[in-house]
Amino acid sequence: AQSVTQLGSHVSVSEGALVLLRCNYSSSVPPYLFWYVQYPNQGLQLLLKYTTGATLVKGINGFEAEFKKSETSFHLTKPSAHMSDAAEYFCAVSPMNTGFQKLVFGTGTRLLVSP
Amino acid sequence: DTAVSQTPKYLVTQMGNDKSIKCEQNLGHDTMYWYKQDSKKFLKIMFSYNNKELIINETVPNRFSPKSPDKAHLNLHINSLELGDSAVYFCASSQGLAGGLPTTDTQYFGPGTRLTVL
Repeated sequence: AQSVTQLGSHVSVSEGALVLLRCNYSSSVPPYLFWYVQYPNQGLQLLLKYTTGATLVKGINGFEAEFKKSETSFHLTKPSAHMSDAAEYFCAVSPMNTGFQKLVFGTGTRLLVSP
Repeated sequence: DTAVSQTPKYLVTQMGNDKSIKCEQNLGHDTMYWYKQDSKKFLKIMFSYNNKELIINETVPNRFSPKSPDKAHLNLHINSLELGDSAVYFCASSQGLAGGLPTTDTQYFGPGTRLTVL
């Protein structure tokens, strides 16, 4: 069975600082990997995803993530945090071999951005 | 135009009641999903339909019954509501099997329905 671990339920940064949200997965074969963001009282929105090809993936709002197979990680980064980045971030995996998508989410990391 | 809409946005009801949540998507997608997000923000898939056919049915009490009258709609009916059913329920849709590799699809989420069982 696949699982996702997000280290740190809360991450606090200052505006302009580097954002690093950690995600590790457990899977018998490398899965497809996703990062979703949830703003308060809203549904989830896709930030970026890794399927195949280049392991450094760029997403919306200046976020990017790097797939490292040897570390089974898919950490999310942004060079400079904005106040508007404050939200809940979810890492998710989906198996490659089922013919359909079945997202398994991590427990989420709340990003707090202070002025 | 709202891509994935859910009604109602809030639902407060007594234990033992039966309630439904409706979901509609206007994206022309073939696949729709129901998720439950608990009070700790943990999000878990419940069901998925592709073109009105059930393709994912997770370990969910059989008091929960999804119904897809057409591929643009996926409703969730809950019988005999319990306190533990209190959560936010999200509907989502994705291109699905007709759109290439469905496992890499982007899912589009609705705004959620906050269900409170008293």
